[in-house]
Amino acid sequence: EIVLTQSPGTLSLSPGERATLSCRASQSVSSSYLAWYQQKPGQAPRLLIYGASSRATGIPDRFSGSGSGTDFTLTISRLEPEDFAVYYCQQYNSSPPYTFGQGTKLEIK
Amino acid sequence: QVQLVQSGAEVKKPGSSVKVSCKASGGTFSNFAISWVRQAPGQGLEWMGGIIPIFGIANYAQKFQGRVTITTDQLTSTAYMELRSLRSEDTAVYYCARDLAAGFDFWGQGTLVIVSS
Repeated sequence: EIVLTQSPGTLSLSPGERATLSCRASQSVSSSYLAWYQQKPGQAPRLLIYGASSRATGIPDRFSGSGSGTDFTLTISRLEPEDFAVYYCQQYNSSPPYTFGQGTKLEIK
Repeated sequence: QVQLVQSGAEVKKPGSSVKVSCKASGGTFSNFAISWVRQAPGQGLEWMGGIIPIFGIANYAQKFQGRVTITTDQLTSTAYMELRSLRSEDTAVYYCARDLAAGFDFWGQGTLVIVSS
């Protein structure tokens, strides 16, 4: 089973700043089968990025994903007030299980 | 636009079972996989298993093997997740999600299952 480790656990930033979130896999994630989700309190997760770098439908271009192999990054170029939430990475390699990272909480400084 | 609508909250006794439904509308139900993900209070996301309706074959996370069954009814475009031998640690919100092998792009609203004596 592939274990995903996200860092930092909590990130405190101000609106307008740049956010960089990391996700490291215990073994290579093939074909960049890596996704990022945003979750706000009381809501279901929302898909932001799939294939490590492709934005899902309707996702603003301030969100971008990068990386390959075992190291992946989600970048939010200029934080908007609605971006403060918890972010999860997920690997969906060619066969299950499809594991999630433990999450990074992005909070207002 | 795909919509996944889940059944309502449940309160169960330890040792009992729960069956949560997830009805899909929009899109072709048979053509995409459905996964189930749970989230304990204040915790992260945990993938439980998934199924491709057209094949009817389910895959489960090892943690839940033998205790969970995921099925579908293609006539009603509904997926089901049954979890047996419930214990207090199974208290969580359970989500279904459409799995296109490109992330989970549509999610149900979640079903709260409380296990308490």
